[in-house]
Amino acid sequence: DMKVTQMPRYLIKRMGENVLLECGQDMSHETMYWYRQDPGLGLQLIYISYDVDSNSEGDIPKGYRVSRKKREHFSLILDSAKTNQTSVYFCASSLRAGAYAEQFFGPGTRLTVL
Amino acid sequence: KTQVEQSPQSLVVRQGENCVLQCNYSVTPDNHLRWFKQDTGKGLVSLTVLVHENDKTSNGRYSATLDKDAKHSTLHITATLLDDTATYICVVGDRGSALGRLHFGAGTQLIVIP
Repeated sequence: DMKVTQMPRYLIKRMGENVLLECGQDMSHETMYWYRQDPGLGLQLIYISYDVDSNSEGDIPKGYRVSRKKREHFSLILDSAKTNQTSVYFCASSLRAGAYAEQFFGPGTRLTVL
Repeated sequence: KTQVEQSPQSLVVRQGENCVLQCNYSVTPDNHLRWFKQDTGKGLVSLTVLVHENDKTSNGRYSATLDKDAKHSTLHITATLLDDTATYICVVGDRGSALGRLHFGAGTQLIVIP
């Protein structure tokens, strides 16, 4: 069953704490993405990863970093979380990068920063 | 500036009724347009993709049209079911982006009542 998984599904942290969001996919997709979704806004791209150790900033990378040491795993790290990083975070993957690549989405992680 | 606008923002219909969701965009140059369904607390699931001028697609009770000249798409849902309750998101691919960037609308929240 091809899918994208995310852990944890829900997370509450205090301002200044570090946060690690994990994403996995079992489709051997080269490209993976991290987005955030806020009320009234479309999904915004934080980072894109073309393959292991090949990552690029998206539209809103400030305050985030990523790690991809294995093709099937892509992590999003918040060093010293801020309250404005409260959001729902989605991971996605696609076979390759490119304009027509269909992206498959995980179920999301709801992060609350107090 | 938001490049993908969806209307209505929310919609309530009775089970069995038909409904139409609208998507207008200003992404240039555009390549494809995809409609996603997002159940509450879940990830995005692709319903259909439109690529060419005046494309029409059909996927069961879902059908969609694309007018590239007008930069406009519609998603029709016929004979709605309670399980159609979800947020429907219009996404436009940016042909000018080397990243294969996608532009997401904020979604239309559809509620189907008995």
